[in-house]
Amino acid sequence: ELKVEQNPLFLSMQEGKNYTIYCNYSTTSDRLYWYRQDPGKSLESLFVLLSNGAVKQEGRLMASLDTKARLSTLHITAAVHDLSATYFCAVDSTRGGSNYKLTFGKGTLLTVNP
Amino acid sequence: GAVVSQHPSWVICKSGTSVKIECRSLDFQATTMFWYRQFPKQSLMLMATSNEGSKATYEQGVEKDKFLINHASLTLSTLTVTSAHPEDSSFYICSARYRGRVNTEAFFGQGTRLTVV
Repeated sequence: ELKVEQNPLFLSMQEGKNYTIYCNYSTTSDRLYWYRQDPGKSLESLFVLLSNGAVKQEGRLMASLDTKARLSTLHITAAVHDLSATYFCAVDSTRGGSNYKLTFGKGTLLTVNP
Repeated sequence: GAVVSQHPSWVICKSGTSVKIECRSLDFQATTMFWYRQFPKQSLMLMATSNEGSKATYEQGVEKDKFLINHASLTLSTLTVTSAHPEDSSFYICSARYRGRVNTEAFFGQGTRLTVV
């Protein structure tokens, strides 16, 4: 059974600081996704990482994937208040067919303080 | 990105009644749709995987007679919560993936906040 572990689960940081959220998973997969969720809202896709060594950046967020280490990171640079949200990583797994289902981490609640 | 529309956004119903939630892929055909449930401050829990024209595959512990899923076309899946009870109150989210493509991301609906009173 695929397990996805995210840490930290809670992150309180000051504006302007840098930090990294980690996502480890237990079985082989080369597809990993990062999502953002605001309170009361659904998921917003941030990054799709489809191969080993993939690195993607959007604004103050950068995500990377190391499939050999089964590790993805979401790096936050010079945080601003607008980044406050819950961030989820999710990993693809097959179910013996073409029904790829996502297994989610528990999420990281990020609070950026002035 | 592709658009998945979920309706209604919120619903309040009385205990014992049934509620239907629709999930539509607006600009693509979805081979597979997924239904998730999310409790406050928790992660998404997969309830079932829905394939067009076939029976849904339910995750362990999810009552298939209580959560009826129908995937009648490549653009529509419905989740019906039957004989709803207050403990069914939750945030329900659907997602869909492209037909005929692998290695594509899943697109998520806006979610439905169900409150059973």
